Amino acid sequence: QVQLQESGPGLVKPSGTLSLTCAVSGGSINSSHWWTWVRQPPGKGLEWIGEIYHGGSTNYSPSHKSRITMSIDKSKNQFSLKLNSVTAADTAVYYCARASVGIYSSIRYWGQGTLVTVSS
Amino acid sequence: DIQMTQSPSSLSASVGDRVTITCRASQGINRNLNWYQQRQGKAPQLLIYAASSLQTGVPSRFSGSGSGTDFTLTISSLQPEDFATYYCQQTDSTPRTFGQGTRLEIK
Repeated sequence: QVQLQESGPGLVKPSGTLSLTCAVSGGSINSSHWWTWVRQPPGKGLEWIGEIYHGGSTNYSPSHKSRITMSIDKSKNQFSLKLNSVTAADTAVYYCARASVGIYSSIRYWGQGTLVTVSS
Repeated sequence: DIQMTQSPSSLSASVGDRVTITCRASQGINRNLNWYQQRQGKAPQLLIYAASSLQTGVPSRFSGSGSGTDFTLTISSLQPEDFATYYCQQTDSTPRTFGQGTRLEIK
């Protein structure tokens, strides 16, 4: 059974960089999937942030493209998200997830989510 | 970006009711449409993929239909555990946008 677990600081200062890692177990990061980040501000809906393939290809949300970097660490079977120049609007629960590749892509596996608060 | 609009935003219903939630895409997305259920404080769970295919383990009272721009999620007979928030998501192109959600509440 594939499991994903987010980790990283729960508090980030404004203008700083949000850094999260997602550890994958029960499956290989080298498999043909989109490794995905989705966030959810408190009390609001889901927002797709972006995705990365094991070969390094990425797709980012245009809304945040200038601030996002995603990467994969094959040796640790994990992938990461960096979001710089954060503001209070970036406060959210961040989920890592695994999406199928190709036609009819969907997210079958999700991490439990981690709350990141942007505050001084 | 493709915009996804769900209706209604919230819905009150009783156990045993039949409920339908709609999702409209701002442009055609073929059948590249998923439905997720999110219970309070939990990660979303996939219910329906490819507009009408039931994810393994999901009860058969859930069904999806549609193609192009208009889609529906139907729950044939509401159970207590179905009171949650439901999201559609298009995966026809990136960004893979979600609808704003439909909160299903107990009447």
